[in-house]
Amino acid sequence: AQSVAQPEDQVNVAEGNPLTVKCTYSVSGNPYLFWYVQYPNRGLQFLLKYITGDNLVKGSYGFEAEFNKSQTSFHLKKPSALVSDSALYFCAVRDIRSGGGADGLTFGKGTHLIIQP
Amino acid sequence: DSGVTQTPKHLITATGQRVTLRCSPRSGDLSVYWYQQSLDQGLQFLIHYYNGEERAKGNILERFSAQQFPDLHSELNLSSLELGDSALYFCASSAPPTSGSREQYFGPGTRLTVT
Repeated sequence: AQSVAQPEDQVNVAEGNPLTVKCTYSVSGNPYLFWYVQYPNRGLQFLLKYITGDNLVKGSYGFEAEFNKSQTSFHLKKPSALVSDSALYFCAVRDIRSGGGADGLTFGKGTHLIIQP
Repeated sequence: DSGVTQTPKHLITATGQRVTLRCSPRSGDLSVYWYQQSLDQGLQFLIHYYNGEERAKGNILERFSAQQFPDLHSELNLSSLELGDSALYFCASSAPPTSGSREQYFGPGTRLTVT
């Protein structure tokens, strides 16, 4: 079975400071990894993904994430936070070999990111 | 806007009733996924259809069923509704595997309230 852990329910960062939202995962094989953002009363917006290749992936709105296979982590980062980044962030995983029921994304519980002016 | 549409946006119904949620995927996408988001269970995968055929089931109750039609839109049917079925239901779509992309694009969701 695959799983995702987001250890922080909430992360508070001052505007202009760097931010990190943590994610660790567990899959049987190799993972596809994703970050999504959800604004209040909205659907999930795709931010970035790791499929293969370079461990540092860049995505929308200046976000990036680093895939670390030995630590089974995929932390989301941004060099300089904006107040408009405040939202709920979800990490998700899918086993490359998924099938037989493990076909959808498995999400973490989400981390509320609060950027203070 | 992801290009995935869902109707209705809100649905209020009583226990024991049956409802149908509708989803249209992005143009060109053959896969449709359904997810449920609730406060206690978080985001859970329910079911996946690819080009009209069921591909995988997740934590979907037997009271729930889905189908994907020839025009690729999908419907999620929820029956014998219980208070605990109140949740946000999301549909997502993704490009064919040959495209190389693996991300799913989510619709705005249908908020179901069972009273």
